[in-house]
Amino acid sequence: QVQLVQSGPEVKNPGASVKVSCKTSGYRFNSYGITWVRQAPGQGLEWMGWISPYIGDTKYSQKFQGRLTMTTDTSTSTAYLELRSLEFDDTAIYYCSRDRAPTDYWGQGTLVTVST
Amino acid sequence: EIVMTQSPATLSLSPGERVTLSCRASQSVSSNLAWYQQKPGQAPKLLIYGASTRATGIPARFSGRGSGTEFTLTISTLQSEDFGVYYCQQYNYWPPETFGQGTKVEIK
Repeated sequence: QVQLVQSGPEVKNPGASVKVSCKTSGYRFNSYGITWVRQAPGQGLEWMGWISPYIGDTKYSQKFQGRLTMTTDTSTSTAYLELRSLEFDDTAIYYCSRDRAPTDYWGQGTLVTVST
Repeated sequence: EIVMTQSPATLSLSPGERVTLSCRASQSVSSNLAWYQQKPGQAPKLLIYGASTRATGIPARFSGRGSGTEFTLTISTLQSEDFGVYYCQQYNYWPPETFGQGTKVEIK
């Protein structure tokens, strides 16, 4: 069955970087993109970006341009999200999901806390 | 960027009632509209895609309608397990594939 398993919670200082992983299984990794969505505490869903493992193409929300990088490792069927220059407002649960919308395959979420 | 606006923000209803949630797009998104349900501590769950097609395993009491800029999600007979926050998402224009701000459905 399709599974997306994300890395564990992170606590970072303001200005630091965080890298979240999303290990997939149960399907051909190169055949589907990966989308990243985040959710701040008590807030709604925010689309961050998408990556194609097959060609490496990325689409980012303009909001994160310049401090967001999405990558994949096809040898381990794993996608990565790296967010730099963290601010307090980046505290959120970060979700990966399979391919573009609409999708019913999601990771369990990774809590990233930005705190001093 | 397409702005998605959902209404109302919160609904408090009793089991058995009929529920209609609204979602409006700032410009036409054709029928490229999905609805998700999210419960506390869980990832979103896909309910409807293509504005009106139920996802696999979704009960028939959930239905979606609309095209262009106006969309609705109806729960014909509210069940206690239907509590949660409902989000619409357009995927016609990207990036980004924007979400509405959500409608919270509370069970009385």
